[in-house]
Amino acid sequence: DGGITQSPKYLFRKEGQNVTLSCEQNLNHDAMYWYRQDPGQGLRLIYYSQIVNDFQKGDIAEGYSVSREKKESFPLTVTSAQKNPTAFYLCASSPRGGDEQFFGPGTRLTVL
Amino acid sequence: AQSVTQPDIHITVSEGASLELRCNYSYGATPYLFWYVQSPGQGLQLLLKYFSGDTLVQGIKGFEAEFKRSQSSFNLRKPSVHWSDAAEYFCAVGPILTGGGNKLTFGTGTQLKVEL
Repeated sequence: DGGITQSPKYLFRKEGQNVTLSCEQNLNHDAMYWYRQDPGQGLRLIYYSQIVNDFQKGDIAEGYSVSREKKESFPLTVTSAQKNPTAFYLCASSPRGGDEQFFGPGTRLTVL
Repeated sequence: AQSVTQPDIHITVSEGASLELRCNYSYGATPYLFWYVQSPGQGLQLLLKYFSGDTLVQGIKGFEAEFKRSQSSFNLRKPSVHWSDAAEYFCAVGPILTGGGNKLTFGTGTQLKVEL
């Protein structure tokens, strides 16, 4: 089945540690996105990538980094510089020329 | 800058009753508008979208939305709500980007509770 995979579903880390969240898609989509969701704040865009080896900052990129070495993969690293990393993280993708974004199931990150 | 306002944080309706969720947007050009639904702890699913043409758009699960340019609104409606519609609903606006993809701004969401 085609879709977007995010792993793991739940992730726990100690404060000060970097952590990488996985996002893989087999939809052959060109564009991929990372969002952060906090209660009562909706979704906020962290980074997006329209093509392999290129990505752009979204509205809240500070403390995060990404890479796009393969079309299928868009991992997000939450660095120790992110002041409040505990949140629900959603990955999405969309086809070139398309409009709808397709979302993965999300990863809930808790920093202790 | 683009923005979306969903003025209702929580809405409770009885099963079988009609539903309207409000969405107001701010956008400099013709907007690309979306409604998504999210079940607890899950990703988002697209309900419907509007780019141009008929201002009343039909979506999945019996939902519809009406684009009103004069009011900068894109309200979501359903004639008869089912218990399974209980979820969080997000309105979003954003352009299609040169080079592909789109850059969406989401509202803060409306949590729908359905009473049996």
